[in-house]
Amino acid sequence: GESVGLHLPTLSVQEGDNSIINCAYSNSASDYFIWYKQESGKGPQFIIDIRSNMDKRQGQRVTVLLNKTVKHLSLQIAATQPGDSAVYFCAENMRGSARQLTFGSGTQLTVLP
Amino acid sequence: ETGVTQTPRHLVMGMTNKKSLKCEQHLGHNAMYWYKQSAKKPLELMFVYSLEERVENNSVPSRFSPECPNSSHLFLHLHTLQPEDSALYLCASSPNPQGADEQYFGPGTRLTVT
Repeated sequence: GESVGLHLPTLSVQEGDNSIINCAYSNSASDYFIWYKQESGKGPQFIIDIRSNMDKRQGQRVTVLLNKTVKHLSLQIAATQPGDSAVYFCAENMRGSARQLTFGSGTQLTVLP
Repeated sequence: ETGVTQTPRHLVMGMTNKKSLKCEQHLGHNAMYWYKQSAKKPLELMFVYSLEERVENNSVPSRFSPECPNSSHLFLHLHTLQPEDSALYLCASSPNPQGADEQYFGPGTRLTVT
């Protein structure tokens, strides 16, 4: 499944499938990006980050892709599990705007059994 | 656990009450943040403290008053709030007071203003 995080706020995938969550950012001067996961009743939890001098970064079961040409960020989750059900949102930091992260509104990922 | 704790986890207060939210980080970080999270809206940055000095105040109404007595503790004092202030208030910390990096969030305080 694939979702544009800011325009399609929900995404449902079958357990075991790969998930792709997208985020379109607006500021071409942004040079640092983070993906967060927020489960119900909890605060956001860091998943993975990427700086603008990279276009891909991999973690455990997750990969972030950055396309600066079209200002697009995606989070790929391999072999999605029920515990991955949560809201996922991206955040960007604009160069020169120290400490300020601008957050997207998020995508609700639901993993179906 | 992220190393950032918040108390209370839930708070119900009337519009004439005064209450405080507390945040504590056990990570040795130098920057702390308050965010407001309303339903179906992006996180809104309220305040940033770096090395115990307030460095950002994003046009937050004066009925919200932050306090950072030391690098491990952050408070948000509340008075004469409005019903639209009901939201999840999140505290975060980060290691680097100068640049952008990962922020670690607490579990939040769910605030309801009646």
